[in-house]
Amino acid sequence: EVQLVESGGGLVQPGRSLKLSCAASGFTFSNYGMAWVRQTPTKGLEWVASISTGGGNTYYRDSVKGRFTISRDNAKNTQYLQMDSLRSEDTATYYCARSEIAATSGLIWFAYWGQGTLVTVSS
Amino acid sequence: DVVLTQTLVAQPVRLGDQASISCRSSQSLVHSDGHTYLEWYLQKPGQSPQLLIYEVSNRFSGVPDRFSGSGSGSDFTLKISRVEPEDLGVYYCFEGTHDPTFGGGTKLELK
Repeated sequence: EVQLVESGGGLVQPGRSLKLSCAASGFTFSNYGMAWVRQTPTKGLEWVASISTGGGNTYYRDSVKGRFTISRDNAKNTQYLQMDSLRSEDTATYYCARSEIAATSGLIWFAYWGQGTLVTVSS
Repeated sequence: DVVLTQTLVAQPVRLGDQASISCRSSQSLVHSDGHTYLEWYLQKPGQSPQLLIYEVSNRFSGVPDRFSGSGSGSDFTLKISRVEPEDLGVYYCFEGTHDPTFGGGTKLELK
């Protein structure tokens, strides 16, 4: 069974940093691209970042480019989201998600999701 | 930027009825690789979103066949043929062709 467990959320002041982790199990982690998605009551669901199987390719939404860094450690079956220079608008529940290639050969962006971890940016 | 438009609340349904949810894109979602990356997710109360449909009309593993997706270009529909209690929640469409973007969500409620 695919399991994705996020950790590392919490309350942080504006301008500070936080690092989220996502521990994966139930599948061969190194074979799948991974992603982070966030959700707020006002802005809804937003894709944040994605990373390729080996970690060599990363992609970000414009509003987090230069501040957030997605990474992975395939030996530890874990992906990370380093969030620097946090702003109040980064307050959200952050979900870890697994991508996969469908039988159609197309990409499925978020086939499986974790339960989420809440990040609150406030002074 | 691509905008995905969904009605906020679907027409209320009775259990066993058919429900239909629409998603309209401001641009065609046909990718240069020939695929149309339009997905549907359901978020039940208190849970994470779960994938229902990928590439417009393909049901994901384990999704009941009462869920079906259709559409092309920029106009898409998710249909639930016989609504069951566990189908209630918020339905989101998502496009992965341009800038990955979610629709605002459509809440499915009982009449």
